[in-house]
Amino acid sequence: DAKTTQPTSMDCAEGRAANLPCNHSTISGNEYVYWYRQIHSQGPQYIIHGLKNNETNEMASLIITEDRKSSTLILPHATLRDTAVYYCIVRTATGTASKLTFGTGTRLQVTL
Amino acid sequence: GAVVSQHPSWVICKSGTSVKIECRSLDFQATTMFWYRQFPKQSLMLMATSNEGSKATYEQGVEKDKFLINHASLTLSTLTVTSAHPEDSSFYICSAGSGRVTDTQYFGPGTRLTVL
Repeated sequence: DAKTTQPTSMDCAEGRAANLPCNHSTISGNEYVYWYRQIHSQGPQYIIHGLKNNETNEMASLIITEDRKSSTLILPHATLRDTAVYYCIVRTATGTASKLTFGTGTRLQVTL
Repeated sequence: GAVVSQHPSWVICKSGTSVKIECRSLDFQATTMFWYRQFPKQSLMLMATSNEGSKATYEQGVEKDKFLINHASLTLSTLTVTSAHPEDSSFYICSAGSGRVTDTQYFGPGTRLTVL
């Protein structure tokens, strides 16, 4: 699976949009971009995933650049409960169910 | 999203004993389950992949005789840490998927193991 690069940490004021970038310059055509987050001492929580098109769900939006070499996760109105480590993962969608390889992620701190 | 549970949520045991951790998919059939380990301030590290009815596939460096994995049904996988030692103390997390290649994996809440 392609490697991803994320900033180590970010701060965001409560109520503002949190934009979390991810670089995946070696991504292949059949690889999806997944985002998970992990709140302290809990299991990771699925947020969103996409292949080429931008995606939106009740939690967040995922913007993927046209060349697919980077993406941005957007939390439109961050709250204190969004404080967590966010992981951007590139996953191959061929063969049997593929594993997720976690990097170090971005620690998002939402403040008052 | 789908719900995955783990039991127990935490366990303390003496060195040399064995500990079993259960992972259940509550509202879907999980053909594939994954077991991860996470040490403090580190990321999740995949230990093994288990498919229902077959032997688990272990990642390089993970001792299969020490970490026994059983995936006997489509809703239950177990991880047994045999002859646990203090260095096995960690946060163990499972995830489950239906087995389709584009399937989203859902994670359990984790089990914190402390070996004295």
